[in-house]
Amino acid sequence: GIQVEQSPPDLILQEGANSTLRCNFSDSVNNLQWFHQNPWGQLINLFYIPSGTKQNGRLSATTVATERYSLLYISSSQTTDSGVYFCAVEAVWWDGGATNKLIFGTGTLLAVQP
Amino acid sequence: DTEVTQTPKHLVMGMTNKKSLKCEQHMGHRAMYWYKQKAKKPPELMFVYSYEKLSINESVPSRFSPECPNSSLLNLHLHALQPEDSALYLCASSQEGSSGGTRETQYFGPGTRLLVL
Repeated sequence: GIQVEQSPPDLILQEGANSTLRCNFSDSVNNLQWFHQNPWGQLINLFYIPSGTKQNGRLSATTVATERYSLLYISSSQTTDSGVYFCAVEAVWWDGGATNKLIFGTGTLLAVQP
Repeated sequence: DTEVTQTPKHLVMGMTNKKSLKCEQHMGHRAMYWYKQKAKKPPELMFVYSYEKLSINESVPSRFSPECPNSSLLNLHLHALQPEDSALYLCASSQEGSSGGTRETQYFGPGTRLLVL
């Protein structure tokens, strides 16, 4: 099956710093999403980005599908950015029909200190 | 509205209890998912329903029994669980759940934190 690896596994930042999180995947995928899981467990959609670049405020993401990686940029980090960042790729499961499966990466635990 | 709701938020149960987790969405999505997440691990897929039909069971033990009464509701029935089943259980939904070139965003609920004693 598809392997999804994220780096770094842990990251500590001072408030105001910038960071780049990386997601590598082992095979072609239909879809890639970035999520932020807050300390209460809620998974919040950040980007749906199978290819190209998107920006949303202080966050931006780039996926290079041909090279099988995606990057999440966080600028001017804030303490509320703390939590776990997951990338997840979509694979197709064939069993009489096609069903999409979302496979999560290993996650990056981010702590932003004031 | 991109909201998926889950109840209860927290659940403590004994190994002989029977309980149910509930998930609801009103986005008109036709695919719904159950995931299990252990501490410091990514979510792992358990079940997928597409058009109210079970399409994926990731070899989940029979003590977990999913049910999709209609396209807006998804239940997970729990019976005779083990302490190692303690985890965060997440529900998600997406528009159709089927491929053929479609690419879909999955939306997640807040989860149910389950503790089995």
